[in-house]
Amino acid sequence: NAGVTQTPKFQVLKTGQSMTLQCAQDMNHNSMYWYRQDPGMGLRLIYYSASEGTTDKGEVPNGYNVSRLNKREFSLRLESAAPSQTSVYFCASTDRGRGTDTQYFGPGTRLTVL
Amino acid sequence: QKEVEQNSGPLSVPEGAIASLNCTYSDRVSQSFFWYRQYSGKSPELIMSIYSNGDKEDGRFTAQLNKASQYVSLLIRDSQPSDSATYLCAVNPGNTPLVFGKGTRLSVIA
Repeated sequence: NAGVTQTPKFQVLKTGQSMTLQCAQDMNHNSMYWYRQDPGMGLRLIYYSASEGTTDKGEVPNGYNVSRLNKREFSLRLESAAPSQTSVYFCASTDRGRGTDTQYFGPGTRLTVL
Repeated sequence: QKEVEQNSGPLSVPEGAIASLNCTYSDRVSQSFFWYRQYSGKSPELIMSIYSNGDKEDGRFTAQLNKASQYVSLLIRDSQPSDSATYLCAVNPGNTPLVFGKGTRLSVIA
């Protein structure tokens, strides 16, 4: 099992460009999450999907959109990137409601917006 | 608003000592609690979970939970330089996503 995978690992964008961060998990988990992590700010939840077909806003959703493509995949889109979106983005998954709620994280995407 | 508080550190301990990391949370209905370790430039990885009041031991790690005081801690015995990392406390408040603290940076000095 690969666990949670993310692509790309690194990305540099110019202000106003768009891009999609991809996330996939092979653990048959029902819930998936997108976080951003900035120095001194900890992990902040952007969006999550409690189950296939549903998405909900987290703490910092502005400037982002998500798509739960299927049970395995959950993508994060930046429509018009801003320097404030420079961050490390982590995807995570868990099997909530089935006796465990441990979250497993992907390796992260390091995004720089110039 | 659900909050999880941790001392940001850095917490410095000599090699071989016990490192004690603390976390408080605001939501009394929280049922499950987690400690994640994050090395610099890496993603968080789970090291301990605890669901009941009391102590839970796993190797050199002991998690302690006191729901009445809304307090959870992590003890690392015989600390090693390889334990130097940021430790994130996370709380499950119910039917919503985990709430993470901002983490405590631990430095183990050889």
